[in-house]
Amino acid sequence: QQQVKQSPQSLIVQKGGISIINCAYENTAFDYFPWYQQFPGKGPALLIAIRPDVSEKKEGRFTISFNKSAKQFSLHIMDSQPGDSATYFCAASTTGTASKLTFGTGTRLQVTL
Amino acid sequence: SQTIHQWPATLVQPVGSPLSLECTVEGTSNPNLYWYRQAAGRGLQLLFYSIGIDQISSEVPQNLSASRPQDRQFILSSKKLLLSDSGFYLCAGLAGQFWGEQFFGPGTRLTVL
Repeated sequence: QQQVKQSPQSLIVQKGGISIINCAYENTAFDYFPWYQQFPGKGPALLIAIRPDVSEKKEGRFTISFNKSAKQFSLHIMDSQPGDSATYFCAASTTGTASKLTFGTGTRLQVTL
Repeated sequence: SQTIHQWPATLVQPVGSPLSLECTVEGTSNPNLYWYRQAAGRGLQLLFYSIGIDQISSEVPQNLSASRPQDRQFILSSKKLLLSDSGFYLCAGLAGQFWGEQFFGPGTRLTVL
């Protein structure tokens, strides 16, 4: 199966709170897991990515947690800010010449004041 | 750094008219290139990908076609547009040294009336 399941579909968080978005995959051949951030009318931009040889990766306020045995990974946004309001997509891919990303359905995050 | 250019930014076309969307890449050579479609409020659907000149793979049967006449040029076409072709079209590239890390263009908003 190539599907990547993402939840929740939408999320409202107060400024300063923690935003958590979860994804699950089925294909055990996936070995690259990025998160993309998309603002309305713009193309997605890579936010942070992880490979399955580590369980966590942190970049500033953004952290990916990865659970290989459960085939799940999540994005945590600490100290969420109104500027973080966007749609977030998880994705997964295999490596190789014809590498293709399989995207989750997206989470619309709104950070309120 | 790698950059994807897409044009036009927006397009309104009547049903049955032809389509040509262009994507060009800067900052890398021999990239994998991808066309995605994003329906309003939805995830990204991979339409075509290319690992080299004249090497195109189609992901879903549809009314569209793709061509790659030059290393850094990727074109999405249709002979006769359908209402269901409306959406946000995104071109993406994968630089060989950034294995799995796709970078996206700004997108083209297509409305078929």
